[in-house]
Amino acid sequence: EGQLLESGGGLVQPGGSLRLSCAASGFTFSSYAMNWVRQAPGKGLEWVSAISGSASTTYYEDSMKGRFTISRDNSKNTLYLQMNSLRADDTAVYYCAKGVREGGSVWGQGTTVTVSS
Amino acid sequence: DVVMTQSPLSLPVTLGQSASISCRSSQSLVHSDGNTYLNWFQQRPGQSPRRLIYRVSNRDSGVPDRFSGSGSGTDFTLKISRVEADDVGVYYCMQGTHWPLTFGGGTKVEIK
Repeated sequence: EGQLLESGGGLVQPGGSLRLSCAASGFTFSSYAMNWVRQAPGKGLEWVSAISGSASTTYYEDSMKGRFTISRDNSKNTLYLQMNSLRADDTAVYYCAKGVREGGSVWGQGTTVTVSS
Repeated sequence: DVVMTQSPLSLPVTLGQSASISCRSSQSLVHSDGNTYLNWFQQRPGQSPRRLIYRVSNRDSGVPDRFSGSGSGTDFTLKISRVEADDVGVYYCMQGTHWPLTFGGGTKVEIK
């Protein structure tokens, strides 16, 4: 089934940038499309972005298009989320998940992003 | 975007009794490939979400058979039979048929 481990979260000022990573193990990473999902403090789940197994296709939630970039390095079994022009409302726990249309059979523990001055 | 509407928002349940959560979508979730990508997740306090059910009614490995999913088109239900203390948490439905993917607002299950 596998495991996912996110990293790269932290405190960043409004307008700043951050790059999240998600290290995958225990499954053939390149065979799976991957999701990023976030959860603001005390709020529900919000889908962020998805990428196909080959990285040929990417999808974004509208409010993140142009600011966030999803990518992957299948040789390193790692998924990324580059986040630019960060705003206070991007503050959330960011999760990566294995699989897309079926929601993700495996989720990581999450990494916390706080956007504040 | 497809709006996913869950009800109720809060669900107090007596141990051993059954609970049902409704999830309605603003559009049909039948994909052109014939599948219906409606999934259910459980999030226990302080934990990451965990998928329980995928494609309406398929239970994930390790999920007790007390959890069952049903429905079609735009109307779906998660049923928890014989509720246990370990079932406390927030439950979310999620559609994977249309872009952008969307989640319901969540249903908080608590013990009476």
